[in-house]
Amino acid sequence: GQQLNQSPQSMFIQEGEDVSMNCTSSSIFNTWLWYKQDPGEGPVLLIALYKAGELTSNGRLTAQFGITRKDSFLNISASIPSDVGIYFCAGRLVPGEKLTFGTGTRLTIIP
Amino acid sequence: IAGITQAPTSQILAAGRRMTLRCTQDMRHNAMYWYRQDLGLGLRLIHYSNTAGTTGKGEVPDGYSVSRANTDDFPLTLASAVPSQTSVYFCASSETLAGRDEQFFGPGTRLTVL
Repeated sequence: GQQLNQSPQSMFIQEGEDVSMNCTSSSIFNTWLWYKQDPGEGPVLLIALYKAGELTSNGRLTAQFGITRKDSFLNISASIPSDVGIYFCAGRLVPGEKLTFGTGTRLTIIP
Repeated sequence: IAGITQAPTSQILAAGRRMTLRCTQDMRHNAMYWYRQDLGLGLRLIHYSNTAGTTGKGEVPDGYSVSRANTDDFPLTLASAVPSQTSVYFCASSETLAGRDEQFFGPGTRLTVL
């Protein structure tokens, strides 16, 4: 089946730093989604990408759909305490097909 | 109700007992999903339903069953719980418009099987 490798698994940063994380797939995807999960809650959709090369922003967050269609990147600029959580990527080969999720990147902000 | 609700929030269950996790959405979404989340393994799909009256198996369906009698509800049943089913369970839904299929998640049910 499809596999999604998400890296890094965890990040420890200071407030104000920029953050980058990525996902790579063994297969071509037509959709990439990025979610954030706060402790004790369900994942919340941050950004959806539907076209190779697409670059989309949501406030301080920017995500890109890789040109090869096998990867996606999420950047967070000027991190703040509420950015703490687990970030998941998810991909889909064709519309209507089930999503495949990455294993998550846990972001911690060091005081 | 706004979005997706799940019940119970948490449950401790003896092995061998039957348990139904409830999920209700008020967005009139066609598709609904059940995932389990375990440390280091991300989200794994248990069962899904593309529309009322239909269901399908996901990545880890064994030991679980679902039904989709109407658009809003998608209960997940553990017929005879085992300790390996200790996990956090998330229900999700999506509209399934062609090409646009973002999934929205409920708050989760934390299940412990002893």
